[in-house]
Formats: sequence, C-alpha cells, structure tokens
Amino acid sequence: DGGITQSPKYLFRKEGQNVTLSCEQNLNHDAMYWYRQDPGQGLRLIYYSQIVNDFQKGDIAEGYSVSREKKESFPLTVTSAQKNPTAFYLCASSQVGEAFFGQGTRLTVV
Amino acid sequence: QKEVEQNSGPLSVPEGAIASLNCTYSDRGSQSFFWYRQYSGKSPELIMSIYSNGDKEDGRFTAQLNKASQYVSLLIRDSQPSDSATYLCALKDSNYQLIWGAGTKLIIKP
Repeated sequence: DGGITQSPKYLFRKEGQNVTLSCEQNLNHDAMYWYRQDPGQGLRLIYYSQIVNDFQKGDIAEGYSVSREKKESFPLTVTSAQKNPTAFYLCASSQVGEAFFGQGTRLTVV
Repeated sequence: QKEVEQNSGPLSVPEGAIASLNCTYSDRGSQSFFWYRQYSGKSPELIMSIYSNGDKEDGRFTAQLNKASQYVSLLIRDSQPSDSATYLCALKDSNYQLIWGAGTKLIIKP
C-alpha cells in the first residue's frame, strides 16, 4: 500500500536529549513537510523539502534539524535547543496537488 | 499577514442539517484548494480538492470555489455526529507553497 509512515507513534524525551522522528513515503512524491501541532491549534511548518538534498526552514525551525538524503525519507531531529518540544508532529508529502499525512508522532518531555 | 483565513468556531449544527464552512485567501494566484478533516488526536485526511471555479460534489460534500471573491467553502449535507471534527482549508499559492488555515471546529448535535 502506498502511503506515509511515521515512527514512533509515541516518543518520550528527557531534558537535554536529542530525538529523531522518522518519516518514510512510498508515493514517489518530491515534496515533504514537517509540521508541529499544539493542542487546539493549527499546523505550523517546521521544515520542508522540494527535492533530495535540499530543504528550507519553515516558520518555527529553531531547535529542529532535518536531512533529505533519499527521496523516500525526511527525518526530523528535535534538539536540546528546542525548549518546549511537547507536541504532535506531522509529516506530509505532496507532488503537484494535495498533501498526504502520516499518522503523526506524539512527543512528550519527561 | 495571514494568507488563509477560517473562522475558528466552534460551529454547532443540528444533525441532519447542512454545515457550511468558509475560507478566504489573499493570494490571487493560488491555483489549488483543499479541504481536510482532522479528528482529535489524529492526522488530517483529505476530503476534497478543487481547482476551478464552481461547485464540486462528492457524496454529502460539496466544495465551492470563487476565485474572483477569493473564497472557498465546504458544504456538508445531512450532517452526522461522525462529521464532528476540525476542518482545515489549504491551498497551493502562486509560488506552489502549501498554505494552511487554522481550522474550524464543527460540532454536530444529535
């Protein structure tokens, strides 16, 4: 089945720790996106990538990093510089038209 | 400056009635418009795409686009309690960037 897979579904991070969220797609889409969603809020763009080996900062990139070494993969690292990382993280991909989402990763700081 | 505006709601509609969700946008060059539904704690799922002026119907859902007025709407006929969710309006602007509204919370009352 074609789609986007995010893992893990739930992730717990200790203070000062870096964690990496995985996003893999087999839709052959060029563009991939990472969004953060806080309770009761809309989607905020963290990073996006239009092609392999290229990516751009979104509105809230501070404290996050990404890589796009393969078309299928767009992992997001939440670094210790992100002071309030507890949120729902969504990965999406698109080609010409609509975007499709993974099931999300819920990150909690413990 | 917000590029996509939605009323945050909540919008309360009796079961069986028509729910009308609205979205305005600022970039006249926008070409592609999308409506997504997001249940609490889940990722957004695509309901409708619309690319040209007029109406597009899919089952109980009708999307309406008016590029002259920079306005896109979603009508849900015969509303069901399962339609209770947050509805996100999105578009691809003249730079092919994916832009999101903040969403409208819809509550269908039995």
